[in-house]
Amino acid sequence: GESVGLHLPTLSVQEGDNSIINCAYSNSASDYFIWYKQESGKGPQFIIDIRSNMDKRQGQRVTVLLNKTVKHLSLQIAATQPGDSAVYFCAESLDAGGTSYGKLTFGQGTILTVHP
Amino acid sequence: DTGVSQDPRHKITKRGQNVTFRCDPISEHNRLYWYRQTLGQGPEFLTYFQNEAQLEKSRLLSDRFSAERPKGSFSTLEIQRTEQGDSAMYLCASSLWNQKQYFGPGTRLTVT
Repeated sequence: GESVGLHLPTLSVQEGDNSIINCAYSNSASDYFIWYKQESGKGPQFIIDIRSNMDKRQGQRVTVLLNKTVKHLSLQIAATQPGDSAVYFCAESLDAGGTSYGKLTFGQGTILTVHP
Repeated sequence: DTGVSQDPRHKITKRGQNVTFRCDPISEHNRLYWYRQTLGQGPEFLTYFQNEAQLEKSRLLSDRFSAERPKGSFSTLEIQRTEQGDSAMYLCASSLWNQKQYFGPGTRLTVT
């Protein structure tokens, strides 16, 4: 979708709290979704992915929820730590059962700040 | 470190000069992607290779941009006659078929 430029959504939490980062995706045909974490001056780092035949997937301290009805994706981080401070991006792709080439379309990004 | 490397990490050039960036993907990955990221935005897709074949180019990739992956391993992205609007982070990612994409650290280009 369209970005609003430098005015990224922000989320500020205390260490140990749970964090929820939300994302609205744009293409109803997208069937593969990924969350990336990006620290300042670094490339995006893979966190977790989910395919459209699932509505929830859990990793280590992270859970991704997918609501295809309203084209909404969320990332939950349990027991947030200062090292989790970064910009978080959701990305969507048309996987088409592995037959497409997997171009990622990124969302706007959310700045997460974790206070000790 | 994801295993994807990019060189240089930073490049400052004057408007009108040509620049070339290199990406070395994870060795067994057959797919390689270039993205561009400007401040406050998510990465935007530029182009994609499967082995040595360039199979898709974004409309963002003007005629001044060219990318190659001659032997299906490393890739280069060249920008000719750079403009100030080309200033951005250029990111490379690789994957094995449609599996997750791993990103490199990026090359930050500043055009003065």
